[in-house]
Amino acid sequence: NAGVTQTPKFRVLKTGQSMTLLCAQDMNHEYMYWYRQDPGMGLRLIHYSVGEGTTAKGEVPDGYNVSRLKKQNFLLGLESAAPSQTSVYFCASDGEGGFAGELFFGEGSRLTVL
Amino acid sequence: AQSVSQHNHHVILSEAASLELGCNYSYGGTVNLFWYVQYPGQHLQLLLKYFSGDPLVKGIKGFEAEFIKSKFSFNLRKPSVQWSDTAEYFCAVNAPPGGYQKVTFGTGTKLQVIP
Repeated sequence: NAGVTQTPKFRVLKTGQSMTLLCAQDMNHEYMYWYRQDPGMGLRLIHYSVGEGTTAKGEVPDGYNVSRLKKQNFLLGLESAAPSQTSVYFCASDGEGGFAGELFFGEGSRLTVL
Repeated sequence: AQSVSQHNHHVILSEAASLELGCNYSYGGTVNLFWYVQYPGQHLQLLLKYFSGDPLVKGIKGFEAEFIKSKFSFNLRKPSVQWSDTAEYFCAVNAPPGGYQKVTFGTGTKLQVIP
């Protein structure tokens, strides 16, 4: 049972390049989230999804797009990377949309934009 | 919108010292409160949570937190810390303004325990 798996774990991009982060969960969870973690700012919600085919904006959605074509996968895309998007990205899933309270996190993806 | 404040950004303690990390939230209605921990190089994991009932919540590894509604606080405590408690601790909340499906995190407190 892998839980939440993120790929890639590390990536270096040049400004203007695009990339996609993949999050996969094997717990049949409805709810999935993308957060970014920056020093001194904690975790900030980028986008989230409450089910297959649905997505919604979080606190800091600008510059990112997401898709949830399959229940188990939640993709985070950067169309034109900027240095301000250098961060550690965490995907999380939750079986009960906050009522159960436990977010299951992936191990993170460290992105550097030069 | 709901928000969470953690006023201690970096705490250094000696082993066996007692720990209390502050957490305050902004919403005045019903809230769900959480503490997550991130050990060095690892992902976040749930330490404890409060939904309702007894305001004193016990979690894993000897941690506990007390919900004080009148103070909008949910402080994390441990009577005697160990070197292995070195980690970053995040308080989090979800509440109706943001929707129960969205969990808002504080900025985190880095705890360093010196042997």
